[in-house]
Amino acid sequence: GNSVTQMEGPVTLSEEAFLTINCTYTATGYPSLFWYVQYPGEGLQLLLKATKADDKGSNKGFEATYRKETTSFHLEKGSVQVSDSAVYFCALSPTFQGAQKLVFGQGTRLTINP
Amino acid sequence: NAGVTQTPKFQVLKTGQSMTLQCAQDMNHEYMSWYRQDPGMGLRLIHYSVGAGITDQGEVPNGYNVSRSTTEDFPLRLLSAAPSQTSVYFCASSSDRLNSPLHFGNGTRLTVT
Repeated sequence: GNSVTQMEGPVTLSEEAFLTINCTYTATGYPSLFWYVQYPGEGLQLLLKATKADDKGSNKGFEATYRKETTSFHLEKGSVQVSDSAVYFCALSPTFQGAQKLVFGQGTRLTINP
Repeated sequence: NAGVTQTPKFQVLKTGQSMTLQCAQDMNHEYMSWYRQDPGMGLRLIHYSVGAGITDQGEVPNGYNVSRSTTEDFPLRLLSAAPSQTSVYFCASSSDRLNSPLHFGNGTRLTVT
């Protein structure tokens, strides 16, 4: 079946540090891959996406590259800010299915200290 | 823009009680879905709908009912609440374009004692 595995949290970094949150997936065919972010007290919101192999999604200084050979979609940011503190979810949409049937990872809580 | 609106924000139920979690969206989205969020387990799909009058089960549908009489509304019913249904519930919607992102409400925190 389809599944997503994220690195265990919580992750605590200092401001301006480099961030990597690992995400690997299991799926048949060619899924689309997403990163969602959840700020305290809010629902999830789309951060970035990639729909085919070697695509790079980017937004707000975050990047992730769809690597089919390693079934990975790691999230990176070169210099984090306190405002990046949130829970980050990696997710996949199975091949040819809409986003309403996303499969989520367990989430990684990120805390950035000033 | 209101987006996806969920009510109530918090609810406490006793075992065996019933209730309905409300969800409404004003984006004319065809797709709507309900997820539950539990610690260490991410979000799991409960039920979803691809349009008015059409619903289907997700990964964890047991104990929940849904209906979709209008494009805007997608209520989630708990007929007989159980402690295992203590969770945070999120409603989401999206357009029918492939790979359209999900738009989430702010969630309902439900506690069943």
